[in-house]
Amino acid sequence: EAGVAQSPRYKIIEKRQSVAFWCNPISGHATLYWYQQILGQGPKLLIQFQNNGVVDDSQLPKDRFSAERLKGVDSTLKIQPAKLEDSAVYLCASSPTGAMGADTQYFGPGTRLTVL
Amino acid sequence: AQSVAQPEDQVNVAEGNPLTVKCTYSVSGNPYLFWYVQYPNRGLQFLLKYITGDNLVKGSYGFEAEFNKSQTSFHLKKPSALVSDSALYFCAVNTGGFKTIFGAGTRLFVKA
Repeated sequence: EAGVAQSPRYKIIEKRQSVAFWCNPISGHATLYWYQQILGQGPKLLIQFQNNGVVDDSQLPKDRFSAERLKGVDSTLKIQPAKLEDSAVYLCASSPTGAMGADTQYFGPGTRLTVL
Repeated sequence: AQSVAQPEDQVNVAEGNPLTVKCTYSVSGNPYLFWYVQYPNRGLQFLLKYITGDNLVKGSYGFEAEFNKSQTSFHLKKPSALVSDSALYFCAVNTGGFKTIFGAGTRLFVKA
């Protein structure tokens, strides 16, 4: 079974520029997560989709971050405009059902963003 | 609010010795507890989880963890460490809601 795919793997931009990340979850997985992992910290949930609906985006900086999940499959996370503090690894994960928190999450390799 | 703490930034152990990576949590309600491992330049990989039932959970690569409700702990253990176990380990908790909270991580270094 193919894992979670993410692209690009690395991105370097200047502050105030925009950037987009793409995620393809494991086939058939209903739930998709985007996490931000700052160096030295654990992953922080930005947004969680159940099929193509948002179930939690409480920690998403909505003035600059946006995300969508097309037809309940692929997802795109966008930052516009980027700030220096957005430098981090952006992880995408998926899980079969969401199962009220009991699901195992399967992570992609991440996208390392550097904002100069 | 739920939280999880990993009190050690780094754990050093000699190959062949037992290892323990500590995790404590604070939640209202019954917790679902997870351990994930992260190797350099890779995403997190699932090791094991506690949902309900037997307090001792066995997982991948010979790891196990014990759920201790009275001490609100879920320490990760392995009887004999390998150099290849060197990685970053994350404990995580969910209380049946939508958001999983991750600890800050513990770096395990196994010396040959």
